[in-house]
Amino acid sequence: KAGVTQTPRYLIKTRGQQVTLSCSPISGHRSVSWYQQTPGQGLQFLFEYFSETQRNKGNFPGRFSGRQFSNSRSEMNVSTLELGDSALYLCASSSGQGAAGAYGYTFGSGTRLTVV
Amino acid sequence: QKEVEQNSGPLSVPEGAIASLNCTYSDRGSQSFFWYRQYSGKSPELIMSIYSNGDKEDGRFTAQLNKASQYVSLLIRDSQPSDSATYLCAVGGADTGRRALTFGSGTRLQVQP
Repeated sequence: KAGVTQTPRYLIKTRGQQVTLSCSPISGHRSVSWYQQTPGQGLQFLFEYFSETQRNKGNFPGRFSGRQFSNSRSEMNVSTLELGDSALYLCASSSGQGAAGAYGYTFGSGTRLTVV
Repeated sequence: QKEVEQNSGPLSVPEGAIASLNCTYSDRGSQSFFWYRQYSGKSPELIMSIYSNGDKEDGRFTAQLNKASQYVSLLIRDSQPSDSATYLCAVGGADTGRRALTFGSGTRLQVQP
């Protein structure tokens, strides 16, 4: 069974640019959650999508957005990049049944974003 | 107060010893509890889940949950150098479909050969 696939693995962007990250969940999983991980803040929840609908949202500015397609693949977009957006962005896949985190997540390998 | 608290460590134990990792959480209604292991430069990997008070054992790992004390722990028996990693405690909320997992900041474990 294929795992969670995130692309690209690494990105270098300039301040002010925008970026789109992609995530393909485990086959059959309908929930995709996105997390930002930094050394100072740890894992911070961005948002969760289930069946193409945003079901949960963390405390991030509107520059961070996402969407989910009918095949459960998800993208997140960050506009007007800031230096502080440099982080590891992790996508997490789950069945989505019941409470969002009821059965744990399977994480992808992440996208390492560096903003210069 | 953070929602999920862990001692950042490092926790250093000799090879073959028992490593004890602890986590407290603030939401008394939390229903699901997880331990993830994260090696440096890698993504978190789920190693244990627990939902009811008491102990749950899986190989060398034992998760312990005490909802009254809002406390979760992970014991690693016969610790190996390959267990050296950061261990993240994660807690799931009670409100169906409305809460994502909340993670602690992690405890770094070092197993000395």
